[in-house]
Amino acid sequence: GAVVSQHPSRVICKSGTSVKIECRSLDFQATTMFWYRQFPKQSLMLMATSNEGSKATYEQGVEKDKFLINHASLTLSTLTVTSAHPEDSSFYICSAIRGGGIIETQYFGPGTRLLVL
Amino acid sequence: AQSVTQLGSHVSVSEGALVLLRCNYSSSVPPYLFWYVQYPNQGLQLLLKYTSAATLVKGINGFEAEFKKSETSFHLTKPSAHMSDAAEYFCAVRNERQLTFGSGTQLTVLP
Repeated sequence: GAVVSQHPSRVICKSGTSVKIECRSLDFQATTMFWYRQFPKQSLMLMATSNEGSKATYEQGVEKDKFLINHASLTLSTLTVTSAHPEDSSFYICSAIRGGGIIETQYFGPGTRLLVL
Repeated sequence: AQSVTQLGSHVSVSEGALVLLRCNYSSSVPPYLFWYVQYPNQGLQLLLKYTSAATLVKGINGFEAEFKKSETSFHLTKPSAHMSDAAEYFCAVRNERQLTFGSGTQLTVLP
């Protein structure tokens, strides 16, 4: 099956620092990837759509200058949380689209647990 | 926009019993529907998907779901629960290329 990886799986940082999270599609190319945020005991909330070779599309209420997304290749998207604060602590999950049309399916990474002290 | 509603945030079943997790959808067009499972501190794993072919969809780990247009439902079932099925389950509908998730159902399997 399709495999999506994330790195790191867990990160602890000090308030005010920046953290970069990588999302890779390991065995397929993905022109579109998504970044989600999940708070404890809650569902996934879409943050942004990452498009290879173009700017990301952010959901309403998501600060694009705080959550920088770069999709530089067909297998890699990065999310950088800039000047992180404790309220940014969360579980961040990426997904990558494989296929198109009726067979299009999102495959998810294992998630990155961010703790900002 | 299309949406899904999961009834019951927590479901408990005994090992070997039937698992039934409910999902209802709202859509003005034929929907593409998905069930995902999430184990603690992990990402989501696709269980099965409905893409307007057969109304009864079989997925991994013995799960299946039936698309019922008349009831706008896509409930997830498994005949016999295993302890390893304990996890969070999410129903989702595809909106263009994005997925909109339900609120999730935590399944507990009792020995």
